[in-house]
Amino acid sequence: DVVMTQSPLSLPVTLGQPASISCRSSQSLVTSGGNTYLTWFQQRPGQSPRRLIYDVSNRDSGVPDRFSGSGSGTDFTLKISRVEAEDVGVYYCMQGTHWPRTFGQGTKVEIK
Amino acid sequence: EVQLVESGGGLVQPGGSLRLSCAASGFPFSSFSMSWVRQAPGKGLEWVASVKEDGSQTFYVDSVKGRFSISRDNAKNSLYLQLNSLRAEDTAVYFCTRGWIQPYHWGQGTRVTVSS
Repeated sequence: DVVMTQSPLSLPVTLGQPASISCRSSQSLVTSGGNTYLTWFQQRPGQSPRRLIYDVSNRDSGVPDRFSGSGSGTDFTLKISRVEAEDVGVYYCMQGTHWPRTFGQGTKVEIK
Repeated sequence: EVQLVESGGGLVQPGGSLRLSCAASGFPFSSFSMSWVRQAPGKGLEWVASVKEDGSQTFYVDSVKGRFSISRDNAKNSLYLQLNSLRAEDTAVYFCTRGWIQPYHWGQGTRVTVSS
């Protein structure tokens, strides 16, 4: 199975400051067709996960542009340019290239 | 508006069975693969199973192979997960999601508790 490793697992951030979450996969996530199925989800307390980013760097409709995704191959990053109070929650990366699908452990973002 | 509404969760004894359902609406159900993802209390997300649009292909995480079965009824716009031989470690909220690569739509989840 592809292991997805996130860091850090806990991320205290000051409001208005940037935040960055790393996600590394144990195998390349590039498909034979050249696609890279790396997705980022946000899960606020008590809510279902919400997809933020797909295909490494494409932001979903309605997602603030302070969120951005980057990376390639096995190394990916989610960045929040200026953290707001509503960004508190747990962030997960997930790979959709290999079976079984696998998630990272989650990174808990909290306000300092 | 896309809606996914799970049901069927509850308290069951170890070794018991449950059948989870997901009622889908707001999109052409038969055109989309579907998946189940679970989340144990206080833990992260774990993909459980997926099924192709026409039900001809299914995939499972190793820990549930031979015990869980995913299926769908396209005439009823419904997705199912049959849970057999349940164990304490299957205790979780089970989410229904649309898609099996980068799921966008998620239901609110149904809670399964395995305990004596």
